[in-house]
Amino acid sequence: DTAVSQTPKYLVTQMGNDKSIKCEQNLGHDTMYWYKQDSKKFLKIMFSYNNKELIINETVPNRFSPKSPDKAHLNLHINSLELGDSAVYFCASSQATGETEAFFGQGTRLTVV
Amino acid sequence: QKEVEQNSGPLSVPEGAIASLNCTYSDRVSQSFFWYRQYSGKSPELIMSIYSNGDKEDGRFTAQLNKASQYVSLLIRDSQPSDSATYLCAVNVHTGNQFYFGTGTSLTVIP
Repeated sequence: DTAVSQTPKYLVTQMGNDKSIKCEQNLGHDTMYWYKQDSKKFLKIMFSYNNKELIINETVPNRFSPKSPDKAHLNLHINSLELGDSAVYFCASSQATGETEAFFGQGTRLTVV
Repeated sequence: QKEVEQNSGPLSVPEGAIASLNCTYSDRVSQSFFWYRQYSGKSPELIMSIYSNGDKEDGRFTAQLNKASQYVSLLIRDSQPSDSATYLCAVNVHTGNQFYFGTGTSLTVIP
């Protein structure tokens, strides 16, 4: 069983489109995250959500929005895609205690053309 | 964003040597520290976690933490070509359960 799964694995789309990436975790974790990894391998936190609190990195454009239908899912919706949004997006989850690791999904490579 | 700094490398070591990876962090309230390994095209996977000052050993890997100096390191003994990857340092600030990552160090182990 995949602990953190995200779909799709690859996404190619045109500028201006709206797209969503889905994430599900079956670990019973309290906190889920979205990270963006650029070509230089830097993992930048975008959002964290623990069904009580949404923490947004203030540098993230408001075209990006997380949507959580329940504790096990945190989807990422992106409006009006731009070329600079091309990156690998990782979903992750962890327990809320902070003394356990974050588990990552397999990543979604988004290419905006 | 909390600052987590790593030498970007690339770092090259011969097979069998010790690879030393370093990380500094800016936020004194950081409480948990992690090293992840990421192969090209794959997701990060946990190598080591460390929560208190001192050394923690797991097989060929040793993590070292010095909270006073805001420094955490990873030593890989008897390096193998399969250790070639990008190593990411991460810190967790328990308030809000946020994980912040460094820019990663690319390691190549030369056979």
